[in-house]
Formats: sequence, C-alpha cells, structure tokens
Amino acid sequence: AQSVSQHNHHVILSEAASLELGCNYSYGGTVNLFWYVQYPGQHLQLLLKYFSGDPLVKGIKGFEAEFIKSKFSFNLRKPSVQWSDTAEYFCAVNADTGGFKTIFGAGTRLFVKA
Amino acid sequence: NAGVMQNPRHLVRRRGQEARLRCSPMKGHSHVYWYRQLPEEGLKFMVYLQKENIIDESGMPKERFSAEFPKEGPSILRIQQVVRGDSAAYFCASSPLTSDPNTGELFFGEGSRLTVL
Repeated sequence: AQSVSQHNHHVILSEAASLELGCNYSYGGTVNLFWYVQYPGQHLQLLLKYFSGDPLVKGIKGFEAEFIKSKFSFNLRKPSVQWSDTAEYFCAVNADTGGFKTIFGAGTRLFVKA
Repeated sequence: NAGVMQNPRHLVRRRGQEARLRCSPMKGHSHVYWYRQLPEEGLKFMVYLQKENIIDESGMPKERFSAEFPKEGPSILRIQQVVRGDSAAYFCASSPLTSDPNTGELFFGEGSRLTVL
C-alpha cells in the first residue's frame, strides 16, 4: 500500500531563513507528487505538483520541490521564508496505477517568526 | 466562482445519531472526493464519486458509512449510528470532468467538523 511520510510535524523558523520540508513515499512504480498548503483559516490549495519531466518543480510563492526517484523523496524548499508562509504543508502522492486515491502525509506545521 | 462548499461547518451529534455532511463541488466539476482527518494525522482518503457513480470507495469503513453524488444536488457523506471515534474533520474535494484523477489538482472545501458526544 502507498504511504507518505513527512519528517517534521512542527517547524519554527525566523524570517529569511531557508526552508526544507521532507517527504518520502513508499511505492515503487510511477507516481504523481503534490504539495498542498493550508493557510490559517483557509482551505487546502495546491502549491506545486510533479508528474513528469524536470524533477525540479517550481511552484507559487517561490516554493520548489525536487523529485529524487532513487530516494523516494519529494522535498519542499524555499530559500527565504516570510511570515506569510506560516501554514500547514501536506505532501501527497498518487500512484499511477489506474486507481484514484491521492494519499496525503500527516502534514507539517510551519511557523515563521517575524 | 464559488469554491467547494461544505456544510455544515460544525456538527455535534450524540452517540447513535446520524450525521449527514454535504458537499457542493465547484461549478463545472464532476469528480468529488471525501477525506477524513483525525487529530495529528493526515488526510485519509475515503471515497471518490462521479455523478450517480461510486468509482472508488476503498477508504470507506465497511459499516455505517455511505456516500452518494446524485444527478442533482450536492454529494452527501452519511454516517449512521455515530460513535466517538467518528469525531474528525471531513473534507470534500472536487476536480473537473476533464481532469485526470491521477495527476489533476484537487480543489478543497473548508471541511466539516463532526463532534460526537
């Protein structure tokens, strides 16, 4: 069965610090990978996704993620965080097996100190 | 355009009662997904529906839970004879008819929080 692991449940950073949120998945075949974000009081929204091509994916608000197939990882990065990046971040995987389940990780709560 | 609308946002039920959660997808969307989130856990897939069809219900508990997406009206997640362990946030997401369910973006509602006393 597919599963998604996010390494940190809570992260606290100061503004301008660099961010890397870890995400590993367990599935040996073709996968489609996503990062969703939930800002306080808002619904989940897509940050970026990968399903083919360049393994380095650029998303909104300066975020990027790198798909490393050999490590089953899809870590999220941002060189310099802002206070407005305070949110909960979810990594998600959909195995391209013909099924339709997008599997989500437990989420990482990021708090950025101003 | 209105986003995915879920109601009620908060629902309190006593053990043994029924809970009905409604989801209206975004205009033009015909795929609906239900997820459950327990405290400190991620979103757990429950069911994927298209109009009048259940496509994948592999995440639904075998008993007491059912879902529908009728030709007209919202999708409904129904929980019969609720127990305390059903307390959770239930999220609905939708995607367009033309979207590949494997690669397409999910558009989420704000969730319905069920509390069972």
